[in-house]
Amino acid sequence: AQSVTQLGSHVSVSEGALVLLRCNYSSSVPPYLFWYVQYPNQGLQLLLKYTSAATLVKGINGFEAEFKKSETSFHLTKPSAHMSDAAEYFCAVTSRSNDYKLSFGAGTTVTVRA
Amino acid sequence: DGGITQSPKYLFRKEGQNVTLSCEQNLNHDAMYWYRQDPGQGLRLIYYSQIVNDFQKGDIAEGYSVSREKKESFPLTVTSAQKNPTAFYLCASSIDLPSLNQPQHFGDGTRLSIL
Repeated sequence: AQSVTQLGSHVSVSEGALVLLRCNYSSSVPPYLFWYVQYPNQGLQLLLKYTSAATLVKGINGFEAEFKKSETSFHLTKPSAHMSDAAEYFCAVTSRSNDYKLSFGAGTTVTVRA
Repeated sequence: DGGITQSPKYLFRKEGQNVTLSCEQNLNHDAMYWYRQDPGQGLRLIYYSQIVNDFQKGDIAEGYSVSREKKESFPLTVTSAQKNPTAFYLCASSIDLPSLNQPQHFGDGTRLSIL
């Protein structure tokens, strides 16, 4: 079985500050991991994906994530928050152990203070 | 532009009524998915289809039905058996299911409410 836990349902940061969103996964086989962003009343947009090629993954809009097998983590960071980063962020995992279906975390809502 | 189109954007259901949500994609993807999103619960898989004329139940299929008669279309029917249908419904597609490198692409969703 596979699952994802996102620590913190809500994160508030100041504009220009570091954004850190935490994601821990469980998987009995090597996982593939994704971060998606969702703006209000819209679908999900892919930010970045980990597919075993490199442990540090760079995505769109200045986001990056590091895969740490020893910690079963895939935390998302951005060095300097912008007002446009206010959205909900989802971590997701897939693997052959779940027939390649995606399992999503509960999501983390980011608010950015001016 | 290629993408996924969901319609309508807002839908209201009366008690005892079946409603159908539309999902069309022009990405030439084989796999399509339906998710339900409730606040604080992430996305839960309702049904998925890997190929035309074939589909499988996801984690919360009770009270829902689907069809896949064409590659580009995967409509979802919310039946009267679904007692708590109020949610945001998202359709997605991917090149195929076993391609772990290929992410899912999402439509903009349909918000369903009870009258």
